Amino acid sequence: NAGVTQTPKFRILKIGQSMTLQCAQDMNHNYMYWYRQDPGMGLKLIYYSVGAGITDKGEVPNGYNVSRSTTEDFPLRLELAAPSQTSVYFCASSSPGQSRQYFGPGTRLTVL
Amino acid sequence: KNQVEQSPQSLIILEGKNCTLQCNYTVSPFSNLRWYKQDTGRGPVSLTIMTFSENTKSNGRYTATLDADTKQSSLHITASQLSDSASYICVVSDSTSGTYKYIFGTGTRLKVLA
Repeated sequence: NAGVTQTPKFRILKIGQSMTLQCAQDMNHNYMYWYRQDPGMGLKLIYYSVGAGITDKGEVPNGYNVSRSTTEDFPLRLELAAPSQTSVYFCASSSPGQSRQYFGPGTRLTVL
Repeated sequence: KNQVEQSPQSLIILEGKNCTLQCNYTVSPFSNLRWYKQDTGRGPVSLTIMTFSENTKSNGRYTATLDADTKQSSLHITASQLSDSASYICVVSDSTSGTYKYIFGTGTRLKVLA
């Protein structure tokens, strides 16, 4: 199993550009999550999904969108990039009834 | 407000020494507490998990303790190795809504020197 994979590893965007961060898992987990990690801060939940076709907002959803058309994939979309979205983004997955989350390697995004 | 606070923010120790990291939480209701290790440039990886009724849980040289009355947990690392250099994150879960809610601490950054 590859676990949770994320692409790209690094990306630099200009203000106002858009991009999609990709996340995929091969563990057949129903639950998937997107977090951002700012320096010196704990992980903040952006969006989560409890299954294909079902998504919901987390703590900091503004400026982001998600979709979940399959169990495996959970892309995160930034429509109009802003410097405040400079961060490291982590995707995670878990099974229902299990608290352990499996994290991807992260995407480091810089918005200039 | 549900919070998880960790101390110290950062710690430097010599290889072979022991250390203890602290986690205090105000999350209620409480489901479980998990310690993660996050290597630089990587995602967090679970080390231990403890439920309300568990006081101690070990994983090799890592031993976590939980005092649910005082809402405190600690992670003790024995005979540290260079590979222990990482951030250690305390995460408290609440599952009363049917799905898990995770509250993350800010982490302790540990540096082990040769």
